[in-house]
Amino acid sequence: NAGVTQTPKFQVLKTGQSMTLQCAQDMNHNSMYWYRQDPGMGLRLIYYSASEGTTDKGEVPNGYNVSRLNKREFSLRLESAAPSQTSVYFCASSEVGQGSARGTQYFGPGTRLTVL
Amino acid sequence: GDSVTQMEGPVTLSEEAFLTINCTYTATGYPSLFWYVQYPGEGLQLLLKATKADDKGSNKGFEATYRKETTSFHLEKGSVQVSDSAVYFCALRVNTGNQFYFGTGTSLTVIP
Repeated sequence: NAGVTQTPKFQVLKTGQSMTLQCAQDMNHNSMYWYRQDPGMGLRLIYYSASEGTTDKGEVPNGYNVSRLNKREFSLRLESAAPSQTSVYFCASSEVGQGSARGTQYFGPGTRLTVL
Repeated sequence: GDSVTQMEGPVTLSEEAFLTINCTYTATGYPSLFWYVQYPGEGLQLLLKATKADDKGSNKGFEATYRKETTSFHLEKGSVQVSDSAVYFCALRVNTGNQFYFGTGTSLTVIP
């Protein structure tokens, strides 16, 4: 099991450029999430997908779009990158529900994005 | 709304010292509570969890007890090692929803 994988690991963009961050999980989880991590801010939820075919805004969705391509894949798109989007982006997945093995989030290794 | 407040860092300890990182929460439902650890340059990893009041989560010498009466989930370890140097995040998930709420993280550095 690879768990949660993300590509790319690093990216540098110029202001106004677009890009898509890719995320895939092989744990058959229903829910997937995109977070950004900034110094002193902890993790902030951008978007999440409770199940295939659904997406919902989180705390900081402006400037981003997402696509839940299938149960495995959840992509994050920056249409016109801005310096304020310089951050580390994490994808995560989880099952939903009670029980010791369920409800835990599993994280990918992150994408370090710099917007100049 | 639902939220987590955790002790601000950074925290610096000598090897074999006792560690406590405080975490308190606000939740509308009955949350599950988590501690995650992030080593430099890596993603977050689950350290331990508790799904109901009075449960104790434990792993790698770390412990935390779900205290509903004080809405707390403090992380403790009796004797820290240099390899415990990392950022620790407290988090909750309300069982009625899909969202997780994270604290801002506490950076721990253990010196030999």
